[in-house]
Amino acid sequence: AQKVTQAQTEISVVEKEDVTLDCVYETRDTTYYLFWYKQPPSGELVFLIRRNSFDEQNEISGRYSWNFQKSTSSFNFTITASQVVDSAVYFCALSEPIQGAQKLVFGQGTRLTINP
Amino acid sequence: EAQVTQNPRYLITVTGKKLTVTCSQNMNHEYMSWYRQDPGLGLRQIYYSMNVEVTDKGDVPEGYKVSRKEKRNFPLILESPSPNQTSLYFCASSLSFSGSIEQYFGPGTRLTVT
Repeated sequence: AQKVTQAQTEISVVEKEDVTLDCVYETRDTTYYLFWYKQPPSGELVFLIRRNSFDEQNEISGRYSWNFQKSTSSFNFTITASQVVDSAVYFCALSEPIQGAQKLVFGQGTRLTINP
Repeated sequence: EAQVTQNPRYLITVTGKKLTVTCSQNMNHEYMSWYRQDPGLGLRQIYYSMNVEVTDKGDVPEGYKVSRKEKRNFPLILESPSPNQTSLYFCASSLSFSGSIEQYFGPGTRLTVT
């Protein structure tokens, strides 16, 4: 069965530090999709990025970057020059096909605290 | 504004008292789903629906029911709530059930069963 592991339960850094959130996944599918979601203190889930299994290019969006490596089954997320507003719980997820539909399998989440 | 709405946002109830959490989307999405979020477990899928009158179980369906009579609505029903159903619930929708399409999540419903 598919599985997503976010080994870092909590991370705390000082503002302006760079921080990397790890995500390791398991799947037997050759075609799959990986996602990152952000859950700020207000509680909603905000979509950050989707990556398909055939595209191993790294992605950069402002201070955010993602490193996808199929060889190590990892999809890590780096925040450069962190800010207090980046404080949130971050979830990595894997899309699993189930009877023609898709199900998101989530990791346990990493609580990131950026201290001023 | 494109959105997924859930009501109520907060609910405290007692064991055994039937309740319904509503979910509605205004994006004409085919696929809808319910998840529950628990500390240390991330989000787990309860039920999903690929279209009107088509629903199926997710990973943790016990104690829950759903219906999809209209495309826009996907209510979650707890016939006899128990304390282990205390959780944060999210409804989600996406244009189709393809894995390439991201899901849009509602604001969440925090349920406490005493």
